[in-house]
Formats: sequence, C-alpha cells, structure tokens
Amino acid sequence: AQKVTQAQTEISVVEKEDVTLDCVYETRDTTYYLFWYKQPPSGELVFLIRRNSFDEQNEISGRYSWNFQKSTSSFNFTITASQVVDSAVYFCALNQGGKLIFGQGTELSVKP
Amino acid sequence: KAGVTQTPRYLIKTRGQQVTLSCSPISGHRSVSWYQQTPGQGLQFLFEYFSETQRNKGNFPGRFSGRQFSNSRSEMNVSTLELGDSALYLCASSLLEGREQYFGPGTRLTVT
Repeated sequence: AQKVTQAQTEISVVEKEDVTLDCVYETRDTTYYLFWYKQPPSGELVFLIRRNSFDEQNEISGRYSWNFQKSTSSFNFTITASQVVDSAVYFCALNQGGKLIFGQGTELSVKP
Repeated sequence: KAGVTQTPRYLIKTRGQQVTLSCSPISGHRSVSWYQQTPGQGLQFLFEYFSETQRNKGNFPGRFSGRQFSNSRSEMNVSTLELGDSALYLCASSLLEGREQYFGPGTRLTVT
C-alpha cells in the first residue's frame, strides 16, 4: 500500500534557525511523484515542489531545499534561516495514479 | 491566470440535508480532484475527474458524488449529511496526471 509518514507532528523554532521536516514514503511503483505543500492559517494549500522518482538531484529555492533519497524512501524539506512567515502546516504527498496521498502534516511554528 | 475558485466558502447545514459544492479549475486544466480535510483524518482523496469522466474514487460512501462539466468546472454533492461530514473540502486542478495539483481556498462545511 502507498503511504506517507511525517513523524514530526509539531516543530517550534526561533526565527533564523534552520529546520528540517521529515517525510518517508512507501510505494511499490517504480515511477512516482512526490510533493510538498504549505498550508498557512488561511487554509489554502500552496504547492512548493514536485519531484519525480527518476530525479534524485537535490533542489534549492531560496531558503528552501529538498533532499530526495530513494535508498531510504525519504524526501526531506529544509528551511534555512526560518522566518515568522514560514509558520504553517507542511504536507508531504505521494502521487498515486492521479490522486495525492498526504502525510499527516507537520505544524511549524517560528517564533520571533 | 486566475487560480482555482470554490464556492461557497462557508456553509452551515443540518443533518439529513444535502449540499452541492462548486469548483472552477485553472484555465486549461482538465483534471479536477476533490479532497476532504478533517482534524482527525487529515487530507483524504474523494474523487478525480478528467474530461467529464471520473478516473479515481477514494474510500467514501456513495453519499458523496461528483461530476464535471464540459468546461472542466466540477461539482461535488453530499446527500443525507451527517455530523462527521463537517470538514474543509478542497478542490484541486492539474494539467496532467502526475503533475502538481493547484488547490482552491476550500469550502468549510459545518453540519449541525
């Protein structure tokens, strides 16, 4: 069965700290897609990144970076020099035939 | 391009009633998916439509149904509402299967 696990339910950091959000997935497919979404208090899910199973290159976008490792079935997300505006719930998701299977989410609180 | 829009944003219904939620995808997107988000169950896939055909269905009772129109707009209907149907219902659109899904702001349904 396909499954996404985000073991960290809540993380609290002080502004400017680096923080890593963990994501572990299970799938039997050889071709699959992984995603990260951000859900701020307003409720709308915001797309952050998509990674396909054949591309293990790490991605960096500003203060955000993602580490994809097929060997450990992990797709971790790091925020460098966190800011208060990063406070949100972050979801990791796996695409299964057009539907997204989400992890339970990690609530990140960045305090000033 | 305009994003995904959902109407109404908030709804209060009574047990036993039925409700219809509407979603307009991003222009050019032919795939529309629906998700239910609750504190207890997290984000769960309801169904996906592509070119007016239901391609995927999640594990929800038959009271939950949907459809897609020729202009890609989609509706979902919940009949005989139960208290447990109180949730945030999110609609997402995508260009192709496996591509990122863009979410609307959601409809918050409260069943009393």
